[in-house]
Amino acid sequence: SSELTQDPAVSVALGQTVRITCQGDSLRNYYASWYQQKPGQAPVLVIYGKNNRPSGIPDRFSGSRSGNTASLTITGAQAEDEADYYCNSRDSSVNLYVFGTGTKVTVL
Amino acid sequence: QVQLVESGGGVVQPGGSLRLSCAASGFTFSSYDMHWVRQAPGKGLEWVAFIRYDGNNKYSADSVTGRFTISRDNSKNTLFLQVNSLRAEDTAVFYCARRGDPDYYHYMDVWGKGTTVTVSS
Repeated sequence: SSELTQDPAVSVALGQTVRITCQGDSLRNYYASWYQQKPGQAPVLVIYGKNNRPSGIPDRFSGSRSGNTASLTITGAQAEDEADYYCNSRDSSVNLYVFGTGTKVTVL
Repeated sequence: QVQLVESGGGVVQPGGSLRLSCAASGFTFSSYDMHWVRQAPGKGLEWVAFIRYDGNNKYSADSVTGRFTISRDNSKNTLFLQVNSLRAEDTAVFYCARRGDPDYYHYMDVWGKGTTVTVSS
């Protein structure tokens, strides 16, 4: 089955920029969506499509894609951005959808 | 407001069954495709199953195919997941989520708070 690979953990200084990547073959055909999850809470959609933010998501969150890699960028990271982040994509294999392995973001 | 509320989780012995429910409110449930997603303790998110808005097309992850069945009752604004032949590795929080775009983009824009399934003897 297809996989979406993410770095397990990244850290960023308060106010600086961090990029989280998601790599997988399905991303050549489908846009990734990105989810933020804080401990004990349900995931929250932060980016979808080419680079779309749901209502209420700060504009410091942005998305992009190049080849088989999708990226989520947080420009000017805030303490409240500390969370786990997951990418997700439609897939062409037996599994219709696939989640990335997740990235823990620490804001220093 | 738009809301999804899961229920039906609990502690069950290996080999047992449960029926999970997801009650939708605040939007026209019958117009939206829906997902089930699970998360084992300390692990990442895993897509489980998907059903089209009218219930005519259903898909599930290969890890649960043959054991889990997704369904919906649009007259009651409710999504279901029948989980059978449960194994210890099925222990997880189960979330229902709404597909945000009916036609083109694939994303989950509304999530419930989850219901916990624990498989233990």
